[in-house]
Amino acid sequence: QKEVEQNSGPLSVPEGAIASLNCTYSDRGSQSFFWYRQYSGKSPELIMSIYSNGDKEDGRFTAQLNKASQYVSLLIRDSQPSDSATYLCAVNTNAGKSTFGDGTTLTVKP
Amino acid sequence: ETGVTQTPRHLVMGMTNKKSLKCEQHLGHNAMYWYKQSAKKPLELMFVYNFKEQTENNSVPSRFSPECPNSSHLFLHLHTLQPEDSALYLCASSQEGGGRQPQHFGDGTRLSIL
Repeated sequence: QKEVEQNSGPLSVPEGAIASLNCTYSDRGSQSFFWYRQYSGKSPELIMSIYSNGDKEDGRFTAQLNKASQYVSLLIRDSQPSDSATYLCAVNTNAGKSTFGDGTTLTVKP
Repeated sequence: ETGVTQTPRHLVMGMTNKKSLKCEQHLGHNAMYWYKQSAKKPLELMFVYNFKEQTENNSVPSRFSPECPNSSHLFLHLHTLQPEDSALYLCASSQEGGGRQPQHFGDGTRLSIL
């Protein structure tokens, strides 16, 4: 089992829809959770961080964390073609480890 | 100005050449990372340095040799590479290994092996 698992994708949604990206992790000592966006040929850029159970909203993005279920998700409302990218989930543990998932590729169709 | 700077941006080399990739961070971070990303593939963690000490070597072939002279600089020395080593090499830094702070990435070096 991978330490951080994401939907295999690719995920395709129409413009204006909600895109839902999911991530599960195996280490219960995980304390910090991040979502990165990576455009093709570019480096990953941080878009959201979350540390406590519940929802965290930033513009059109909402991160959701459920530590009991070891699950973190990213919702993108009113999806735009410019949101088309690969989204990476990253998890940091208390033991000083940082692990990335393989990513989910999102395509938003006009 | 980006917080993490990688040079060169592009590199073409033959299999018998020796070259080095450089990464410099201006964020005051203590942890630095090397990743390899082949075309349309996931990130592969190669090396982690925390306070200049190597804390992770992810079974990387010895033709890749990292060097971290201080917390702000990280090098990846390359020699006798193979065509399958052609990839985007990304450097990242964070305040500490793991913890509450995210990693910040440089723009990467795109490496092509002839």
